[in-house]
Amino acid sequence: KQEVTQIPAALSVPEGENLVLNCSFTDSAIYNLQWFRQDPGKGLTSLLLIQSSQREQTSGRLNASLDKSSGRSTLYIAASQPGDSATYLCAVRYNAGNMLTFGGGTRLMVKP
Amino acid sequence: EAQVTQNPRYLITVTGKKLTVTCSQNMNHEYMSWYRQDPGLGLRQIYYSMNVEVTDKGDVPEGYKVSRKEKRNFPLILESPSPNQTSLYFCASSLNSLYGYTFGSGTRLTVV
Repeated sequence: KQEVTQIPAALSVPEGENLVLNCSFTDSAIYNLQWFRQDPGKGLTSLLLIQSSQREQTSGRLNASLDKSSGRSTLYIAASQPGDSATYLCAVRYNAGNMLTFGGGTRLMVKP
Repeated sequence: EAQVTQNPRYLITVTGKKLTVTCSQNMNHEYMSWYRQDPGLGLRQIYYSMNVEVTDKGDVPEGYKVSRKEKRNFPLILESPSPNQTSLYFCASSLNSLYGYTFGSGTRLTVV
């Protein structure tokens, strides 16, 4: 079974820190990988999409990397702010079909 | 504004009373999906559609129905809701397999 794992499940950091969120997947034959942000009780906001042929994508203070051979993706957040507090979800598309396999998420708290 | 719109946002209903959660997207996307999110279980796919009149089961389809009669709409139907269908539901759409997903704001359903 294809699985996606995110560790740690929760993370608390002081404001201003650079941090890395981890996502691992069991099957390296992925199609693409998408990072989302979810605020409590809210919908999912897409942050970054990485195609299987790409190594990284950047948007503002966010940088996502992809290493298919090791089955890992990381989301790097630079100079964290309290407004970054949310749950971050990693989702993998394993084929050209219409399904995402989600990790359990990392709940991030950035303290002022 | 490009978006996926779900209605209602909140719904409390009684066991056995048929209900429909609507989903509409204005981006001319081919792919549409329904997910449910439960504590400890994460996001799981219920049903998906890859085009008009083309639908298929996801990981947890029991107790649900869908239809895709037109490209923009993908309603989720609960013929006889039960308390174990109490959950947060999300509709999502994607242009095709090369593009990321856009999620709706969610529908919080409580079945008593």
